[in-house]
Amino acid sequence: DSGVTQTPKHLITATGQRVTLRCSPRSGDLSVYWYQQSLDQGLQFLIQYYNGEERAKGNILERFSAQQFPDLHSELNLSSLELGDSALYFCASSVDRGPYNEQFFGPGTRLTVL
Amino acid sequence: ELKVEQNPLFLSMQEGKNYTIYCNYSTTSDRLYWYRQDPGKSLESLFVLLSNGAVKQEGRLMASLDTKARLSTLHITAAVHDLSATYFCAVDGIQGAQKLVFGQGTRLTINP
Repeated sequence: DSGVTQTPKHLITATGQRVTLRCSPRSGDLSVYWYQQSLDQGLQFLIQYYNGEERAKGNILERFSAQQFPDLHSELNLSSLELGDSALYFCASSVDRGPYNEQFFGPGTRLTVL
Repeated sequence: ELKVEQNPLFLSMQEGKNYTIYCNYSTTSDRLYWYRQDPGKSLESLFVLLSNGAVKQEGRLMASLDTKARLSTLHITAAVHDLSATYFCAVDGIQGAQKLVFGQGTRLTINP
């Protein structure tokens, strides 16, 4: 158990809908990262937040957005869902200081768009 | 654009044998990571390598880093069935960016 929690574990929804994925980082970690894992794209970085502010952006679609709240939990919002958005979405967290800056991954949310 | 390539992508081996997974990356990076993923599960951190010549070992797994060649290896010694999993290497983005760029993963199957 990495200490990173994600809810829900599974989500099944229809095209065109909107969903929210939630992540709570490890205690003391200020950075939260979101990744998408799919069979065709592999593991891709989406976005990073550090202490409430966006720090880095990756291959995140405009239909997707995220935020980090004062208690450091983060939410990833996916809207106008398409079949191709079906994937495993991981949240990771790190202290974001020191030489190693290891990222610890949560259990993931499996999203199925029908 | 930073690219990370692993090979082989699939590896089937017998218990007791040794093998190596290779990870090449295209541009200078601060850190290299190895993760393990079991089917349908999360990623478990195995090693973080920082400097040229770094070598880390945990049980039957040993990781090394050659920053000049932009190459990391994950060596498996006397494989056992429990090591069957998909192994990913990942590299920090350039200029201190914290986003990880992952390789394609190596699916390792160890047969009794």
